[in-house]
Amino acid sequence: IQMTQSPSSLSASVGDRVSITCRASQGISNSVAWYQQKPGKAPNLLLYAASRLESGVPSRFSGSGSGTDYTLTISSLQPEDFATYYCQQYYSTPWTFGQGTKVEIK
Amino acid sequence: QVQLQESGPGLVKPSETLSLTCSVSGGSTSRYYWTWIRQPPGKGLQWIGYISDRAGTNYNPSLKSRVTISIDTSKDQFSLRLSSVTAADTAVYYCARVGYFSDSSAFAFDFWGQGTMVTVSS
Repeated sequence: IQMTQSPSSLSASVGDRVSITCRASQGISNSVAWYQQKPGKAPNLLLYAASRLESGVPSRFSGSGSGTDYTLTISSLQPEDFATYYCQQYYSTPWTFGQGTKVEIK
Repeated sequence: QVQLQESGPGLVKPSETLSLTCSVSGGSTSRYYWTWIRQPPGKGLQWIGYISDRAGTNYNPSLKSRVTISIDTSKDQFSLRLSSVTAADTAVYYCARVGYFSDSSAFAFDFWGQGTMVTVSS
């Protein structure tokens, strides 16, 4: 299953609302997770099952979607949120990731 | 808090076998699935495969002919072997735990190692 993320990069300011989308090549029944990766670090799990927040993740992160289309939203961008974000499907193996969205400071 | 740590050579010659081990601390390898993921420099993430605590495996078809993942639950370690490597296998290799979230029957990679850079070069 191919996961296509958009945009590949975006520039935003602190306090902005940011959305990243991921489209699967077939329906994946909400079987999507989102990760944040900062330079030189391992990815960190943000959400699973499309909209369930991992323990300890700030509530400004949220997820939505169904079928083939899923969205990660950051309601008010904070300085520590500048990073690369990946979606990942676990509906069927091989598990696959989107190509990533880099969120940069405007 | 579960912690994972990759170990192994940082330089492998072309055509040879890459071997890495992931040591798990702060928890047991029992009752979970464990996985390897890699990231070429400046690129995205690729899932390599997983192993269960009972040594059942599932590999990415794109690597299946060259990959072996094994587990030693007595040592709380699992390992990756990738044979016949080329420069295209140069990447940061991560080990991770496959968490199961019963509230939604979901799987996700909830704990990760810091990653280890492996370069394939003569």
